Amino acid sequence: GAVVSQHPSRVICKSGTSVKIECRSLDFQATTMFWYRQFPKQSLMLMATSNEGSKATYEQGVEKDKFLINHASLTLSTLTVTSAHPEDSSFYICSARSGSGRGNEQFFGPGTRLTVL
Amino acid sequence: KQEVTQIPAALSVPEGENLVLNCSFTDSAIYNLQWFRQDPGKGLTSLLLIQSSQREQTSGRLNASLDKSSGRSTLYIAASQPGDSATYLCAVKDYGQNFVFGPGTRLSVLP
Repeated sequence: GAVVSQHPSRVICKSGTSVKIECRSLDFQATTMFWYRQFPKQSLMLMATSNEGSKATYEQGVEKDKFLINHASLTLSTLTVTSAHPEDSSFYICSARSGSGRGNEQFFGPGTRLTVL
Repeated sequence: KQEVTQIPAALSVPEGENLVLNCSFTDSAIYNLQWFRQDPGKGLTSLLLIQSSQREQTSGRLNASLDKSSGRSTLYIAASQPGDSATYLCAVKDYGQNFVFGPGTRLSVLP
């Protein structure tokens, strides 16, 4: 299957700083990328969906000014957690899909562990 | 709103046993259902994908069934091995193309 990478795999930052997480589709063009958040022992919760060149669509309860998503190219999306606080500590997973059809498979990245001190 | 549940939440079995993981969803209007494996601190590995028109899919020792009308899917693992230890996630995709994930079943296979 197709490969999706994330960088960094793990990041520790101080409260109040901003952190950027990159998500890349390595061998296909991702028309749509998804960002999920996973708290310990809980399942993945969709945060936002982004289409290349368009503004991201955020799920209810997700602050768009806090979680900035940029999908500037067909192989790269970034999630920036602004003014991070300890409650933002979580596992962030991105996913990418080529094309817009429902039948296009979604591929998941390995995740980024964010710890805010 | 679609809700996905998984039973049991955790399972511990000796090596060699056959086991069944259960997934239930509240809205039968799904596009497909997918089972994933997640190792601790890692991303997701897709195991099996069942389209809404299909009843089951098989891959090696894994078999997944889908009963859309009753809102249920099962993942059957034959002859379990310690390497099967992981969290297994069930996810349904709706016609809006969004995944809804279940909370997962944490499986431990003891040598």
